[in-house]
Amino acid sequence: SQKIEQNSEALNIQEGKTATLTCNYTNYSPAYLQWYRQDPGRGPVFLLLIRENEKEKRKERLKVTFDTTLKQSLFHITASQPADSATYLCATLPMYSGGGADGLTFGKGTHLIIQP
Amino acid sequence: EPEVTQTPSHQVTQMGQEVILRCVPISNHLYFYWYRQILGQKVEFLVSFYNNEISEKSEIFDDQFSVERPDGSNFTLKIRSTKLEDSAMYFCASSGGGRAGSPLHFGNGTRLTVT
Repeated sequence: SQKIEQNSEALNIQEGKTATLTCNYTNYSPAYLQWYRQDPGRGPVFLLLIRENEKEKRKERLKVTFDTTLKQSLFHITASQPADSATYLCATLPMYSGGGADGLTFGKGTHLIIQP
Repeated sequence: EPEVTQTPSHQVTQMGQEVILRCVPISNHLYFYWYRQILGQKVEFLVSFYNNEISEKSEIFDDQFSVERPDGSNFTLKIRSTKLEDSAMYFCASSGGGRAGSPLHFGNGTRLTVT
């Protein structure tokens, strides 16, 4: 089955710098990857989706890339702010599936800390 | 902006008791999900529900679990006989569906503590 690996150690970044988070998957290339933000005691909030035929996706200060050769997605936050501090989760399908009721497999998440 | 609401926010129960966790998904969404997150662990898929039936379920979702959409707005998760290891945050989510990869909209969860 698919496994999602994210660096579980906290990532400390100085305010204003670009934060880069990594998501690696172990088996087949998924149809898409999703990124979520999770604050303590709250549910995940959807940020971005990138499909297998897309190399890059942007939304405001966020950018996601998808490299099927490296089996990796990178999530970038440019001009980072203390309010960006949260845990960021990568998610995809447990098996290649195109159905609408897909049960996502989540990584453990990377805790990002933006220091003023 | 429409949101998924879950009640209660915190539920404490004794081992062996039945609990029902409640959710009101976003009104025009078609797909409904339950996930759980044990403290310090990753978010894990339990079950998805579409067109009034279970669409997919994980190994975690055994015979002790059931889901129901009793009316047009509520979506519930029942745990028949709770165990200590059921202690976790339970998240309800919904999506508009229609295309694979439709974003999930999560509620803020019910923290279940089994003593």
